[in-house]
Amino acid sequence: GAVVSQHPSRVICKSGTSVKIECRSLDFQATTMFWYRQFPKQSLMLMATSNEGSKATYEQGVEKDKFLINHASLTLSTLTVTSAHPEDSSLYICSKPPLGGLEAFFGQGTRLTVV
Amino acid sequence: EDQVTQSPEALRLQEGESSSLNCSYTVSGLRGLFWYRQDPGKGPEFLFTLYSAGEEKEKERLKATLTKKESFLHITAPKPEDSATYLCAVSGSARQLTFGSGTQLTVLP
Repeated sequence: GAVVSQHPSRVICKSGTSVKIECRSLDFQATTMFWYRQFPKQSLMLMATSNEGSKATYEQGVEKDKFLINHASLTLSTLTVTSAHPEDSSLYICSKPPLGGLEAFFGQGTRLTVV
Repeated sequence: EDQVTQSPEALRLQEGESSSLNCSYTVSGLRGLFWYRQDPGKGPEFLFTLYSAGEEKEKERLKATLTKKESFLHITAPKPEDSATYLCAVSGSARQLTFGSGTQLTVLP
């Protein structure tokens, strides 16, 4: 299957600081990447879609000024959580669009804890 | 709006005790139903795609089936290493993935 590498896998930060999460496509160029958030025992919820060469598309209720997305190249998308607060603590997961079939492939996830 | 409901929320089995997980869905124009395995703090790992009612897929101890309203993930003679959360998702005409909340499976030795 398609390979998506996400970094870091875990991060702990102080309230008010910013955290950057990287998502790389290792086996093919992706003009689009998806960012999800998952709270404990809840569904994965799509936050935004990053687009190489244009602005990201955010889902309803997601603050675009707080969750900055940059699709720097055809293999790299980043999510920056700015001025993080404890309620931002969650598992953040990226994925890229399917290749031949419909199934999405996901990164390893980043567990963010804001203290 | 697409919806996915999984049951039970949690399931504890003894090693070797077969069971089934349920995924009920409503979707406009089903393009595919997906099963994923998720270990704690990790991203989902793809298991199966089902495209139409009546379709079945198998992989080791897992077998996924699909009807027009639900999908089942059957686990035959599970082992402790099968312990994980199993996620169901659908893709419809909106071309977005909608996930269920998952079934947390624990297989006891």
